[in-house]
Parts: sequence; structure tokens; C-alpha cells
Amino acid sequence: SSELTQDPAVSVALGQTVRITCQGDSLRSFYASWYQQKPGQAPVLVMYGKNSRPSGIPDRFSGSSSGNTASLTITGAQAEDEADYYCKSRDISGNHPIFAGGTKLTVL
Amino acid sequence: QVQLVESGGGVVRPGRSLRLSCATSGFIFSSSAMHWVRQAPGKGLEWVAAISFDGSNKIYADSVRGRFTISRDNSKNTVFLQLNSLRAEDTAIYYCARDIYGWSFVLDYWGQGTGVTVSS
Repeated sequence: SSELTQDPAVSVALGQTVRITCQGDSLRSFYASWYQQKPGQAPVLVMYGKNSRPSGIPDRFSGSSSGNTASLTITGAQAEDEADYYCKSRDISGNHPIFAGGTKLTVL
Repeated sequence: QVQLVESGGGVVRPGRSLRLSCATSGFIFSSSAMHWVRQAPGKGLEWVAAISFDGSNKIYADSVRGRFTISRDNSKNTVFLQLNSLRAEDTAIYYCARDIYGWSFVLDYWGQGTGVTVSS
């Protein structure tokens, strides 16, 4: 399958740790990248590769991958982390990018 | 600083055409692959098309292949998306984005988007 799937919604208490997951067969071969999108704004890259963070992204964001699942972990979630998060990787052939459907993160 | 500014969006009738532009600055455009990603109202992100640094390689999502064409002008630091035979389901905000390196498909800089509405 060339699909990537995410849970539609996840919630976390302020200051707690949350893991957002992305599943797909292609993740066994290719890394995921993760994008944060707040309402009315363009997406922002927050994690890519094995566990690389662009400059300016807080170190409470981390990434991991195992088998067909990629994960974005926020350790000590802040109110400003409330957003939609999208996983992106490649299709099973590796020739085309694909996005998962996104996860709406609520910080309680 | 890196900037990407899309333009060319608007309201168009089904079957008509539109050309989107993405003007860039702050980085070596001629060394970077570029992508278009869209987002329908209330929906998730959908990758649309990509072009290699020199324009020799172009790829498209199945949903737009044969109707949309991506191109670039390295002398003007601009990437384009020609939208033909537009359908209602093409209604979306269209973002251009830079590939972080090579043909990685990791998008590190995004524009603010330009809206396309296809309606009769």
C-alpha cells in the first residue's frame, strides 16, 4: 500500500508527553518528515530524517521510527504546540511524496 | 532570509485554466528542487507536483497528472504551476515549498499560499 495513516485527533495535558504516530508500508524503507500547521498558517517542518530538527524547532520535539511506524514525540507539551501535525514520506515505489491525513493535537 | 511568495490564484469556472507563480529569494534557487502542495478547505495536505533543480525531472500526483504542469525559470527564481481543465475538487490553497536537499521530498520552507476556487 502507498498510504500513510494517522490518528485523526490526539490530546495531551499541558506539560505531559505525547506521541503522534504515522503508519504505512513505505515507512519500512523511507523516513518520515513531520509538519506542524496552525490555523490560517502555512505548514512548518518540525522533524525529518532519522531524528533531525530544523533550526528554531524546540528540542522537546523528537522523532523515531520502527518497522512500519514513524513517531513524533513532544516531551513537555506546551500550549503553543496545539496544531495539526502531518506525516509525510514516499509511496512504496519511493518515486512520489505522500502525506498522511494529519492529527489534530489538543493541549488540555 | 528565505522567502517564497505565491500568486495567481483566483476564482475560475470549471474547465478553465490558471497559472500559479512562486517567486523566491534568499537561497540559491537554481540548486533546489521545488514542490507544490495543496489543501482543500477543511482538509489535509496533498502533494501535487515537484520539479528538480534544473527542470529535467518532473513528477505529479495521480489526481493532477495530465492536467497540471510544473515548470521553473531559474533566471527569475520562480516556479510555476499551470492548472488546466480545472475541476471543483481542485479548489484549495496552493503552497509552493522548497526541497531541503537534492530530491529528498523534505520541505523546509513554504510560502503562505494562494487560493484557487473552481466554481460555476
